[in-house]
Amino acid sequence: SQQGEEDPQALSIQEGENATMNCSYKTSINNLQWYRQNSGRGLVHLILIRSNEREKHSGRLRVTLDTSKKSSSLLITASRAADTASYFCAPGSGNTGKLIFGQGTTLQVKP
Amino acid sequence: ETGVTQSPTHLIKTRGQQVTLRCSSQSGHNTVSWYQQALGQGPQFIFQYYREEENGRGNFPPRFSGLQFPNYSSELNVNALELDDSALYLCASSLVGPEGGYTFGSGTRLTVV
Repeated sequence: SQQGEEDPQALSIQEGENATMNCSYKTSINNLQWYRQNSGRGLVHLILIRSNEREKHSGRLRVTLDTSKKSSSLLITASRAADTASYFCAPGSGNTGKLIFGQGTTLQVKP
Repeated sequence: ETGVTQSPTHLIKTRGQQVTLRCSSQSGHNTVSWYQQALGQGPQFIFQYYREEENGRGNFPPRFSGLQFPNYSSELNVNALELDDSALYLCASSLVGPEGGYTFGSGTRLTVV
């Protein structure tokens, strides 16, 4: 398993705007997951995209994956104050299930 | 929202003591992982259990140990506590393989003084 690096480290936007955060990784993957963490609480699984997929949607979330650039992005459309949280990506390169997290992107959505 | 429960939610221990943290996995999940998250950092993988056997370990010393029980509940034990062990400890369960994503508990906040 390998670590994903999220960028930017911090992001502050107004409610209603879109938020984009990026993830880069170093070696081949089978899939990539995104998680959200509200302050001091457990992580919530948002979405998993497989290596043969380029884009995936779930509600207001859109995830893209570019395996040639070894990068992924998470777009949150029409953001809400409740989206304020830290977001982590976790590249998966086997069936071990071990998740290696970076430091995450801290998103603040101002009402 | 989550089917994983952890206990206790908060704990204060003295340096040198031992601690046991508990996790009840989501029903039907046979894999459990433990993570340590220091303030302002991402979660760090401690180890994973599958069918009661350790199935992978991160860069943590042997004083971090675990157990998984036949009902798939789990324990994390830490001996000889150090101040740097102060962190949020997260338990996550899944079916074998990450395809469905992991379900995390809300964590145990451990403070070592």
